Amino acid sequence: AQSVTQPDIHITVSEGASLELRCNYSYGATPYLFWYVQSPGQGLQLLLKYFSGDTLVQGIKGFEAEFKRSQSSFNLRKPSVHWSDAAEYFCAVGGWTGNQFYFGTGTSLTVIP
Amino acid sequence: NAGVTQTPKFQVLKTGQSMTLQCAQDMNHEYMSWYRQDPGMGLRLIHYSVGAGITDQGEVPNGYNVSRSTTEDFPLRLLSAAPSQTSVYFCASKQGTDNSPLHFGNGTRLTVT
Repeated sequence: AQSVTQPDIHITVSEGASLELRCNYSYGATPYLFWYVQSPGQGLQLLLKYFSGDTLVQGIKGFEAEFKRSQSSFNLRKPSVHWSDAAEYFCAVGGWTGNQFYFGTGTSLTVIP
Repeated sequence: NAGVTQTPKFQVLKTGQSMTLQCAQDMNHEYMSWYRQDPGMGLRLIHYSVGAGITDQGEVPNGYNVSRSTTEDFPLRLLSAAPSQTSVYFCASKQGTDNSPLHFGNGTRLTVT
């Protein structure tokens, strides 16, 4: 069955420090992978997506993610975190039908000055 | 652009009451879906629709009904609310039935007492 695991419930980083949020997926075929961000009281906004091709994908707001098939991972990274990056981040996997998406439980990011 | 609009933003119901959560999108998206978000559970798919007149169940459909009479609207009905349905509900849409990213509304926070 398809599933997504985000091992870190909460992460705290200092402003300007680098960030890596972990995501592991379980899917029997080629996965379609996404990272979304949710600010308090808002819906989810797409940060980036991976369908095929280059395993390092660039997204909005300076984020990038690397797909590693051998590790079933799709970790999100940012070289230098800004205070406005404080939010909840969700990893998601979709199947070839495009009808059902499976979300991780989310990682809450706190940024300290 | 309005995107995906959900109403109401907040709702309190008593056990056994019924209500409809409204969702409308103005992007002419074929695909629409409903998720519920619970602490520690991430987002879970309730129902989805790939076009007017076509609906299907997601991961957690029990206690919810949907219909899709127009491309724009996808209401979610709770026929007899239960405390276990206390949650934040998100409507999301996307173009087509491939793995295009989802566009989310801002959510409806529902409390059932």
